[in-house]
Amino acid sequence: QEKVQQSPESLIVPEGAMVSLNCSFSDSASQSIWWYQQHPGKGPKALISIFSNGNKKEGRLTVYLNRASLHVSLHIKDSQPSDSAVYLCAESSNTNKVVFGTGTRLQVLP
Amino acid sequence: EAAVTQSPRNKVAVTGGKVTLSCNQTNNHNNMYWYRQDTGHGLRLIHYSYGAGSTEKGDIPDGYKASRPSQENFSLILELATPSQTSVYFCASGEPGQGNSDYTFGSGTRLLVI
Repeated sequence: QEKVQQSPESLIVPEGAMVSLNCSFSDSASQSIWWYQQHPGKGPKALISIFSNGNKKEGRLTVYLNRASLHVSLHIKDSQPSDSAVYLCAESSNTNKVVFGTGTRLQVLP
Repeated sequence: EAAVTQSPRNKVAVTGGKVTLSCNQTNNHNNMYWYRQDTGHGLRLIHYSYGAGSTEKGDIPDGYKASRPSQENFSLILELATPSQTSVYFCASGEPGQGNSDYTFGSGTRLLVI
Protein backbone atom coordinates (compact mmCIF):
# COMPACT_ATOMS: atom_id res chain seq x y z
CA GLN A 1 0.00 0.00 0.00
CA GLU A 2 1.18 3.51 -0.78
CA LYS A 3 2.71 5.38 2.12
CA VAL A 4 3.35 9.10 2.48
CA GLN A 5 5.60 10.22 5.29
CA GLN A 6 6.11 13.80 6.42
CA SER A 7 8.69 15.55 8.56
CA PRO A 8 8.95 17.27 10.90
CA GLU A 9 5.80 16.44 12.87
CA SER A 10 5.65 19.99 14.17
CA LEU A 11 7.50 23.24 13.71
CA ILE A 12 7.51 26.59 15.50
CA VAL A 13 9.10 29.56 13.75
CA PRO A 14 9.12 33.36 14.19
CA GLU A 15 7.22 35.56 11.77
CA GLY A 16 9.25 36.22 8.62
CA ALA A 17 11.19 32.95 8.75
CA MET A 18 11.59 30.58 5.81
CA VAL A 19 9.71 27.33 6.47
CA SER A 20 10.73 23.99 4.93
CA LEU A 21 8.46 20.95 5.04
CA ASN A 22 9.44 17.50 3.78
CA CYS A 23 7.53 14.59 2.32
CA SER A 24 8.52 11.17 1.02
CA PHE A 25 6.15 9.21 -1.20
CA SER A 26 6.07 5.68 -2.47
CA ASP A 27 5.66 5.60 -6.24
CA SER A 28 7.95 7.32 -8.75
CA ALA A 29 5.12 7.02 -11.29
CA SER A 30 2.63 9.03 -9.21
CA GLN A 31 0.68 11.54 -11.26
CA SER A 32 1.01 14.53 -8.96
CA ILE A 33 2.09 15.45 -5.49
CA TRP A 34 -0.18 17.94 -3.72
CA TRP A 35 0.22 20.06 -0.63
CA TYR A 36 -2.89 20.89 1.39
CA GLN A 37 -3.33 23.40 4.22
CA GLN A 38 -5.72 22.67 7.08
CA HIS A 39 -6.71 25.25 9.67
CA PRO A 40 -8.29 24.12 12.98
CA GLY A 41 -11.92 23.08 12.57
CA LYS A 42 -11.73 23.25 8.76
CA GLY A 43 -11.31 20.83 5.92
CA PRO A 44 -8.00 20.60 4.02
CA LYS A 45 -7.58 23.09 1.19
CA ALA A 46 -5.36 22.48 -1.82
CA LEU A 47 -2.38 24.84 -1.96
CA ILE A 48 -0.01 23.79 -4.72
CA SER A 49 0.86 20.73 -6.77
CA ILE A 50 3.78 19.49 -8.82
CA PHE A 51 4.07 16.81 -11.47
CA SER A 52 7.46 17.19 -13.12
CA ASN A 53 10.89 16.95 -11.55
CA GLY A 54 12.25 20.32 -10.51
CA ASN A 55 10.59 23.22 -8.81
CA LYS A 56 7.41 25.27 -9.05
CA LYS A 57 6.87 28.70 -7.51
CA GLU A 58 3.56 30.35 -6.66
CA GLY A 59 3.74 33.53 -4.61
CA ARG A 60 5.50 32.77 -1.32
CA LEU A 61 5.35 29.02 -1.95
CA THR A 62 7.98 26.89 -3.73
CA VAL A 63 7.75 23.14 -4.23
CA TYR A 64 10.68 20.89 -5.17
CA LEU A 65 10.16 17.38 -6.56
CA ASN A 66 12.74 14.65 -7.02
CA ARG A 67 11.06 11.52 -8.36
CA ALA A 68 14.25 9.45 -8.24
CA SER A 69 14.57 9.94 -4.48
CA LEU A 70 10.76 9.94 -3.96
CA HIS A 71 11.02 13.26 -2.14
CA VAL A 72 9.10 16.51 -2.31
CA SER A 73 9.49 19.63 -0.20
CA LEU A 74 7.40 22.75 0.37
CA HIS A 75 9.06 26.04 1.24
CA ILE A 76 7.16 29.05 2.57
CA LYS A 77 8.98 32.35 2.29
CA ASP A 78 8.38 35.21 4.74
CA SER A 79 6.03 33.15 6.93
CA GLN A 80 3.04 34.87 8.53
CA PRO A 81 0.95 34.01 11.61
CA SER A 82 -1.91 33.23 9.22
CA ASP A 83 0.25 30.42 7.77
CA SER A 84 -0.14 28.57 11.09
CA ALA A 85 -1.91 25.34 10.16
CA VAL A 86 -1.37 21.65 9.48
CA TYR A 87 0.22 20.95 6.09
CA LEU A 88 -0.66 17.66 4.39
CA CYS A 89 1.31 16.07 1.59
CA ALA A 90 -0.76 13.94 -0.81
CA GLU A 91 0.28 11.48 -3.49
CA SER A 92 -2.11 11.23 -6.43
CA SER A 93 -1.88 8.06 -8.47
CA ASN A 94 -3.69 7.00 -11.63
CA THR A 95 -5.99 4.74 -9.60
CA ASN A 96 -8.51 7.43 -8.63
CA LYS A 97 -7.18 7.40 -5.08
CA VAL A 98 -5.07 9.90 -3.19
CA VAL A 99 -2.93 8.96 -0.20
CA PHE A 100 -2.32 11.58 2.46
CA GLY A 101 0.52 11.94 4.95
CA THR A 102 -0.15 12.56 8.64
CA GLY A 103 0.85 16.20 8.34
CA THR A 104 3.21 18.78 9.76
CA ARG A 105 1.81 21.22 12.31
CA LEU A 106 3.24 24.70 11.72
CA GLN A 107 3.02 27.55 14.22
CA VAL A 108 4.29 30.99 13.19
CA LEU A 109 4.81 33.27 16.18
CA PRO A 110 4.14 37.01 15.76
CA GLU B 1 -18.72 28.90 -6.12
CA ALA B 2 -18.20 25.13 -6.27
CA ALA B 3 -18.34 23.60 -2.84
CA VAL B 4 -18.71 20.53 -0.67
CA THR B 5 -21.24 20.82 2.16
CA GLN B 6 -21.48 18.36 5.03
CA SER B 7 -24.21 17.90 7.60
CA PRO B 8 -24.52 17.77 10.49
CA ARG B 9 -21.53 19.81 11.68
CA ASN B 10 -21.54 18.03 15.06
CA LYS B 11 -23.26 14.85 16.17
CA VAL B 12 -23.54 12.94 19.44
CA ALA B 13 -24.75 9.35 19.05
CA VAL B 14 -25.32 6.48 21.45
CA THR B 15 -23.53 3.17 21.12
CA GLY B 16 -25.56 0.82 18.92
CA GLY B 17 -27.50 3.61 17.27
CA LYS B 18 -27.65 4.42 13.56
CA VAL B 19 -25.85 7.49 12.27
CA THR B 20 -26.06 9.02 8.80
CA LEU B 21 -23.58 11.66 7.65
CA SER B 22 -24.53 13.60 4.54
CA CYS B 23 -22.47 15.29 1.86
CA ASN B 24 -23.49 17.46 -1.10
CA GLN B 25 -21.18 18.78 -3.84
CA THR B 26 -21.73 21.40 -6.52
CA ASN B 27 -18.42 20.71 -8.33
CA ASN B 28 -19.97 18.24 -10.80
CA HIS B 29 -17.18 15.81 -9.94
CA ASN B 30 -17.76 12.14 -10.65
CA ASN B 31 -15.73 10.98 -7.66
CA MET B 32 -16.61 11.48 -4.02
CA TYR B 33 -14.81 10.26 -0.92
CA TRP B 34 -15.35 9.78 2.80
CA TYR B 35 -12.35 10.07 5.14
CA ARG B 36 -11.94 10.03 8.88
CA GLN B 37 -9.19 12.02 10.56
CA ASP B 38 -7.66 10.97 13.85
CA THR B 39 -4.55 12.20 15.64
CA GLY B 40 -1.59 10.09 14.61
CA HIS B 41 -3.37 8.50 11.65
CA GLY B 42 -4.03 11.40 9.36
CA LEU B 43 -6.77 11.07 6.76
CA ARG B 44 -7.93 7.50 6.17
CA LEU B 45 -10.20 6.53 3.30
CA ILE B 46 -13.43 4.76 4.29
CA HIS B 47 -15.54 4.60 1.12
CA TYR B 48 -15.54 6.29 -2.25
CA SER B 49 -17.71 6.50 -5.34
CA TYR B 50 -17.17 6.90 -9.07
CA GLY B 51 -20.66 8.23 -9.72
CA ALA B 52 -24.34 7.83 -8.95
CA GLY B 53 -25.16 4.28 -7.85
CA SER B 54 -21.51 3.32 -7.28
CA THR B 55 -19.77 2.73 -3.95
CA GLU B 56 -16.34 1.24 -3.35
CA LYS B 57 -14.52 0.15 -0.20
CA GLY B 58 -11.58 2.23 0.89
CA ASP B 59 -8.84 1.29 3.30
CA ILE B 60 -10.94 1.08 6.49
CA PRO B 61 -14.54 0.19 5.44
CA ASP B 62 -15.49 -2.11 8.35
CA GLY B 63 -18.47 -0.79 10.29
CA TYR B 64 -19.44 1.71 7.59
CA LYS B 65 -21.74 1.72 4.57
CA ALA B 66 -22.02 4.33 1.86
CA SER B 67 -24.74 5.45 -0.50
CA ARG B 68 -24.49 7.58 -3.67
CA PRO B 69 -28.06 8.24 -4.87
CA SER B 70 -27.10 11.08 -7.21
CA GLN B 71 -24.10 12.90 -8.68
CA GLU B 72 -24.37 15.53 -5.95
CA ASN B 73 -25.00 13.46 -2.82
CA PHE B 74 -22.92 10.89 -0.97
CA SER B 75 -23.82 9.56 2.49
CA LEU B 76 -21.87 7.61 5.09
CA ILE B 77 -23.91 5.28 7.28
CA LEU B 78 -22.96 3.78 10.61
CA GLU B 79 -25.58 1.09 11.23
CA LEU B 80 -24.38 0.24 14.76
CA ALA B 81 -22.21 3.07 16.04
CA THR B 82 -19.36 2.23 18.42
CA PRO B 83 -17.14 4.53 20.54
CA SER B 84 -14.17 3.65 18.28
CA GLN B 85 -15.98 5.51 15.49
CA THR B 86 -15.67 8.77 17.42
CA SER B 87 -13.73 10.95 14.97
CA VAL B 88 -13.87 13.84 12.54
CA TYR B 89 -15.29 12.80 9.17
CA PHE B 90 -14.52 14.60 5.93
CA CYS B 91 -16.21 14.32 2.58
CA ALA B 92 -14.37 15.30 -0.59
CA SER B 93 -14.98 15.44 -4.31
CA GLY B 94 -12.39 15.30 -7.07
CA GLU B 95 -11.03 13.70 -10.19
CA PRO B 96 -7.47 12.70 -9.21
CA GLY B 97 -7.00 10.35 -12.11
CA GLN B 98 -7.62 13.04 -14.67
CA GLY B 99 -4.72 15.41 -15.07
CA ASN B 100 -3.69 17.69 -12.27
CA SER B 101 -6.90 17.72 -10.28
CA ASP B 102 -7.16 18.36 -6.55
CA TYR B 103 -9.79 17.39 -3.99
CA THR B 104 -12.34 19.81 -2.56
CA PHE B 105 -13.13 19.02 1.06
CA GLY B 106 -16.10 19.84 3.20
CA SER B 107 -15.69 21.40 6.64
CA GLY B 108 -16.10 18.09 8.43
CA THR B 109 -18.51 16.41 10.84
CA ARG B 110 -17.35 15.90 14.39
CA LEU B 111 -18.94 12.65 15.68
CA LEU B 112 -18.94 11.59 19.31
CA VAL B 113 -20.26 8.11 20.11
CA ILE B 114 -21.04 7.63 23.81
